[in-house]
Amino acid sequence: KAGVTQTPRYLIKTRGQQVTLSCSPISGHRSVSWYQQTPGQGLQFLFEYFSETQRNKGNFPGRFSGRQFSNSRSEMNVSTLELGDSALYLCASSPLLAGNTGELFFGEGSRLTVL
Amino acid sequence: KQEVTQIPAALSVPEGENLVLNCSFTDSAIYNLQWFRQDPGKGLTSLLLIQSSQREQTSGRLNASLDKSSGRSTLYIAASQPGDSATYLCAVSSLYNQGGKLIFGQGTELSVKP
Repeated sequence: KAGVTQTPRYLIKTRGQQVTLSCSPISGHRSVSWYQQTPGQGLQFLFEYFSETQRNKGNFPGRFSGRQFSNSRSEMNVSTLELGDSALYLCASSPLLAGNTGELFFGEGSRLTVL
Repeated sequence: KQEVTQIPAALSVPEGENLVLNCSFTDSAIYNLQWFRQDPGKGLTSLLLIQSSQREQTSGRLNASLDKSSGRSTLYIAASQPGDSATYLCAVSSLYNQGGKLIFGQGTELSVKP
């Protein structure tokens, strides 16, 4: 069974640009969550999608957005990039049961560097 | 506001030792607690999931316990090996705000010396 797949694995952008990251969940998982990991702040929750609807959102500015498609694949977008957006972006999928948080399975992440 | 703390931040042990990693959380209204392992530059690997109604879970050389009333969890690693070297993270989901949201600790960086 394939795991969570994230693309691209590495990317370099400059300030002011925008970026789109992609995540394919484990087959059958309908919940996809996104996290930002930095050395200073650790792992922070960005948002979660279930059946194409954003169900939960962390404390990040509106420059961070996402969406989920009917096949459960998800994308996140960061617009007007800032130096502080440099981070490892991790996607996780979960076999949610009755709306509760099940076990989360993470991808390898997308390493974003903003110059 | 839920806060998760892991102590120690770093730990170095000789191969073969049994060790315990600690995780504490401030709000006992959790739905579950999950332990992860992260190798440098990699994603997170799920190790154990404990539901709030459970007291412990075991997988191979790993045993995780949960004491919800005191806000503590421990991860016990038996007969440590150099391959166990990694950062170990614990995370909790809230009973009232679930939907894929985990609150993570800062992690314990474990080094097992041959």
